[in-house]
Amino acid sequence: EPEVTQTPSHQVTQMGQEVILRCVPISNHLYFYWYRQILGQKVEFLVSFYNNEISEKSEIFDDQFSVERPDGSNFTLKIRSTKLEDSAMYFCASSEAQGVPYEQYFGPGTRLTVT
Amino acid sequence: SQKIEQNSEALNIQEGKTATLTCNYTNYSPAYLQWYRQDPGRGPVFLLLIRENEKEKRKERLKVTFDTTLKQSLFHITASQPADSATYLCALSSGNTGKLIFGQGTTLQVKP
Repeated sequence: EPEVTQTPSHQVTQMGQEVILRCVPISNHLYFYWYRQILGQKVEFLVSFYNNEISEKSEIFDDQFSVERPDGSNFTLKIRSTKLEDSAMYFCASSEAQGVPYEQYFGPGTRLTVT
Repeated sequence: SQKIEQNSEALNIQEGKTATLTCNYTNYSPAYLQWYRQDPGRGPVFLLLIRENEKEKRKERLKVTFDTTLKQSLFHITASQPADSATYLCALSSGNTGKLIFGQGTTLQVKP
């Protein structure tokens, strides 16, 4: 069964450093998303992406964040200068189409620890 | 502001019984509501989707209801099994960008 994959599974970085989280969505999906989940809290939407453009972004997704689909398979989230509060689990998701009624398929997540 | 509430207390039930989880929302008019399962350290896994004009949806042992007047969805697992033990997330969507707004989840523990 097709699945979303993410690398690395765990990333440790120092405050102020740049990190890139990588995702390979399901191959025939056209819509891509990033969510994050701080330990013990709810899953929060960061950004949706379609046709090489951001469709919507949340207040969390400030100028320190960017997304890119550099080739036909990868989808990346970059945090330019990490803060302690960026420590969280980051999930990539993809769907066949946008909005509804299409479910989103989530990857296993990257645990980001900022020290 | 938009608010989604799920029972934050863990739900403990005996194997074979029906588990019922609640999702309430305010200041929101979702077109669709979805339920996901999340195991510790893993990503959410889609279970069921229900539209605003649907009252009930079923899939195997799962049933979801959606009451837009009460602003509530109920999620039922019949003949529960220990393997059903997980956190169940309610997620709402109204726009056409795919953005999902999640509740904090309810942890279900099914005891053999």
